Amino acid sequence: DTQMTQSPSSLSASVGDRVTITCRPSQNILRYLNWYQQQPGKAPQLLIYGAATLQVGVPSRFSGSGSGTNFTLTISSLQPEDFATYYCQQSFTTPRTFGQGTKLEIK
Amino acid sequence: QVQLQESGPGLVKPSETLSLTCTVSGGSISRDSSWSWIRQPAGKGLEWVGRIYDSGSTNYNPSLKSRVTISIDMAKNQLSLNLSGATGADTAVYYCARAMSRAFGAFDIWGQGTEVTVSS
Repeated sequence: DTQMTQSPSSLSASVGDRVTITCRPSQNILRYLNWYQQQPGKAPQLLIYGAATLQVGVPSRFSGSGSGTNFTLTISSLQPEDFATYYCQQSFTTPRTFGQGTKLEIK
Repeated sequence: QVQLQESGPGLVKPSETLSLTCTVSGGSISRDSSWSWIRQPAGKGLEWVGRIYDSGSTNYNPSLKSRVTISIDMAKNQLSLNLSGATGADTAVYYCARAMSRAFGAFDIWGQGTEVTVSS
């Protein structure tokens, strides 16, 4: 299985801050890396696919980068609705695997 | 706008089979997609259970492979999950999700999830 290591596991930040979350797969997954946001009690929502492509309707303050074994999700200016849990996921190998999640909390 | 809706018993007894259905509305089960089940125990992360294509071809998570069966009913626009020999470790919210091949296989549409508890 491709293990996904996400960091940090939690993060405290303020509205307006710029934050970065890192995801490192245990093997080269080219650009088959996707990011999701999950609000409490809700299903995850796709933010970014193919490492850097913004899903339709996702605000432009979200961006993704990376390839191979090193990926990042950046939120350029945090908004109140961005405080949630974020997951990376690889779609290069089966079984599909997720990072353990990053909980973004208000400072 | 394609929507997914999971349904099934919220309570399953240990050793019995956990059975869920996902109904696809607003569109059809198409060839450029696969359809997955993903689960999430309370307060924990996401675990991919398995997927099916419109052809009926399946892939399962090896950690569950001997107990999982995913099937598809094209006429009803539904996919189903059967997980035999349920234990407390199978207690989770279960989601169905679509993966688009043209979107790097990302899960672009999710159902709202259905909570299943395995307990006597």
